This record gives sequence, C-alpha cells and structure tokens, in this order.
Amino acid sequence: DTGVSQDPRHKITKRGQNVTFRCDPISEHNRLYWYRQTLGQGPEFLTYFQNEAQLEKSRLLSDRFSAERPKGSFSTLEIQRTEQGDSAMYLCASSPGIAGERSEQYFGPGTRLTVT
Amino acid sequence: KNQVEQSPQSLIILEGKNCTLQCNYTVSPFSNLRWYKQDTGRGPVSLTIMTFSENTKSNGRYTATLDADTKQSSLHITASQLSDSASYICVVSFSGGYNKLIFGAGTRLAVHP
Repeated sequence: DTGVSQDPRHKITKRGQNVTFRCDPISEHNRLYWYRQTLGQGPEFLTYFQNEAQLEKSRLLSDRFSAERPKGSFSTLEIQRTEQGDSAMYLCASSPGIAGERSEQYFGPGTRLTVT
Repeated sequence: KNQVEQSPQSLIILEGKNCTLQCNYTVSPFSNLRWYKQDTGRGPVSLTIMTFSENTKSNGRYTATLDADTKQSSLHITASQLSDSASYICVVSFSGGYNKLIFGAGTRLAVHP
C-alpha cells in the first residue's frame, strides 16, 4: 500500500453514461497525476495538478474528460458519455513538490472501468 | 518521437533462476530512468531510479543498469521467486518541468515452481 487510494476499484457502466472516479493522494504531496492504462500497455499520461492548479493536459484527454482538484487535496476524474474505447485502468499518482526530477511518484491501485 | 521500448514482451523462468530484462529509449532531454513492478490489477511500485550519471542501482535482488550513451537499460533479477511474477515497466523522465514520465509497455514475467 503506497498511501494513495482510489475509489471505486472497479466500475462497469453502459455506453453513454457518465462516471466519476476519486483519488486521495498522500496528504503532504502537492503534485497529482492521472494516467490511463490499457491491457498489455504501460500507463499513458492524462493530466497533472500542482496543488489545485491543472497545469497540463494530454491530447488523450478529450472534451468528454474533466479532472478537478478543488482544494489541492483529493482529485476527481469524470468521463461523460462513455464509449467502449474508454475501457481501461485509470491510475492516480502523487509526489511531493520537491525540487529536482528524482521526485518519486506513488501510484494508487487504480480504477478499472469497463464500458459495455 | 519520445519512446521507451522493452524486450522481451513476456518471459517464463523457473523459480531460483536469474533473468535480465531490456529497455531502450529515445526520450530527450533525459532526466532519469526508473523501473517499476506492477502486479496484476495493481498500481506500479518503484524499484529503482537512476540519473544519467549513475550506471548501476540495486534494490535487494533487483539490479538496474543504465548506459546513457547508448540509451539502454537493463533490469537483472537474481534468484527469482514466485512473487516476482509481475509486469516490469521501464519509465523515462523528461528533464525540466514537473517530472513527466514516458512508460514502456512492460515485460510480463512469470516465475514457475
């Protein structure tokens, strides 16, 4: 257990429905990341927060996706009008905002989304 | 294009044997290289982090090497155990900014008794 929690762990939804995932990072970490991982592939970057500010979004994050981190603590990732191609594991990671690039990212267990 | 490629895609070994996993990358500007272990259905867990000036880093039975000139890395697992069965992902970080990571597709290792 890395200290990063995600909820729910599994979500099955019908195409066209909206879903929302939650991530609780390690409490003193001010950086938070969302990734998407499909079967047999490594995680792909979706978006990054420094405290409550969303500083970068991947082109993978279409306008159906929105992420928030309202108080700089937990974060939510919402997918509207889900499509079968959205089926994947959604991973959250957090890291301390220390100087330098060796800052370790601690991953949560992921939310597995299945769109039927 | 910034890419991380790993080989082999999958590997089966017998318990107690050693194995070596390979990683080639084209990420630039390079900051550091990491190896993660990911159990099925779980998030990745860091094994090692190396900057360009480090060419070897060990973590128990795991030893990672880095050749920044040829942009290659390897992860050597000694005296494998059944619990080593997992995916091993090579990850390269960009220099500067917020520590953006580029992930390889992973090597799926199965250790059989």
